[in-house]
Formats: sequence, C-alpha cells, structure tokens
Amino acid sequence: DTAVSQTPKYLVTQMGNDKSIKCEQNLGHDTMYWYKQDSKKFLKIMFSYNNKELIINETVPNRFSPKSPDKAHLNLHINSLELGDSAVYFCASSQEVGPEAFFGQGTRLTVV
Amino acid sequence: KQEVTQIPAALSVPEGENLVLNCSFTDSAIYNLQWFRQDPGKGLTSLLLIQSSQREQTSGRLNASLDKSSGRSTLYIAASQPGDSATYLCAVEGTYKYIFGTGTRLKVLA
Repeated sequence: DTAVSQTPKYLVTQMGNDKSIKCEQNLGHDTMYWYKQDSKKFLKIMFSYNNKELIINETVPNRFSPKSPDKAHLNLHINSLELGDSAVYFCASSQEVGPEAFFGQGTRLTVV
Repeated sequence: KQEVTQIPAALSVPEGENLVLNCSFTDSAIYNLQWFRQDPGKGLTSLLLIQSSQREQTSGRLNASLDKSSGRSTLYIAASQPGDSATYLCAVEGTYKYIFGTGTRLKVLA
C-alpha cells in the first residue's frame, strides 16, 4: 500500500493550459504539503494544510490553487501554465508536528 | 528565517569507506530533523528522524546526530556501498513546514 500517492507521475502540457495534480495519503495524517523541486534539485515548500485548512502559502503565485476536500487529499490546480512552472512537484504528509514526514513519488511537470 | 546548508555538495568515495555528511541550520527552534535519500528521478525516502529532544538515531549502517544548540546534524554512513549512491537531504521541521538543505550528491565507486 502506497502511503502518499500522486497522480499523474508525468505531465507534459503547453503554455497557457490549466492542469491538476492529485495527492492522497492513507496514513491518517492531519497535515499535508506541496513542495516544488526546481532544476537545481532544491526543495521548497509551497503550501501546507492542517485538517483541510490552509496554514502556509509560501508566496506562491495565485495561479496555483490547492484544494483539500478532506484530510486525506490535497490537490494542486495550476492555471495558465508558464515555462517556469516546469519542475517536480512533491506531495507530503505528517502528523501535526514532531513525527516524520512521508513524501509521494513526485509529479514531473514539463511545460512546452 | 531558517536556512539549511549541507556540506559537501558532492562527494565521491571508494566502496568501503566510512563517511560523514553535514547539515547546518540557522535557527535552533526546530521540532525535529529528518534525513532523506533521493535517487535520480525518484521520490524521497526517509532514512532517519531525530526529534528535538534526542541526540542521535541509528538504523543499520546509518547514524545521525543532532546538536540543536550549535545548529548541526551529521549523517554517518559506515562501510559505504555502491547502492548508497544518491542525493542525501536533511530537513528541519518548523511550524507546519519542513525546510530542506541543499543536498549532498554521493557517489560510491565499486
């Protein structure tokens, strides 16, 4: 059983399109995150949700809109995709504070 | 603002060597520190978690230490193997976010 699963694994799309990435965790965790890994492999927090409530929005453009329909899901919708959005996006989950974080396998987004 | 740095950025060693990866952070107010491994094109695999009240954790050939007051953690890998080749990332947990280091790219030569 995959603890944190993301779909799709790969996404190739044209500039200006809108796309979504889905994330689900089956660990019963309260907190979920979206991270972006850029071309230099640096991982940076984008959003964190706790009990379906947005806690952190780390100065992400408002073209990115996360949605948490329930504690087990955190989806990421991106409008008007730009070339600079090309990256690997990771979903993660943890209990509120303290215990370890678990990461999904990532979604490689390529905007052409 | 928390900043996390890892040294060295890259490391190439012959098989069998013991090695130390370093992680430093600027703000000691952390909940925990976690070491991850990332293989090329893959996700993150958790290796060790050290909670803020702990000094070290061990798993097999891996040992991680934490010195909160000096803002440092080390990951010790004993008897390295080619299968250990990967990027190693440390992350400190702040309030509702994990802040990652810059990573150490390790290559173990057979």
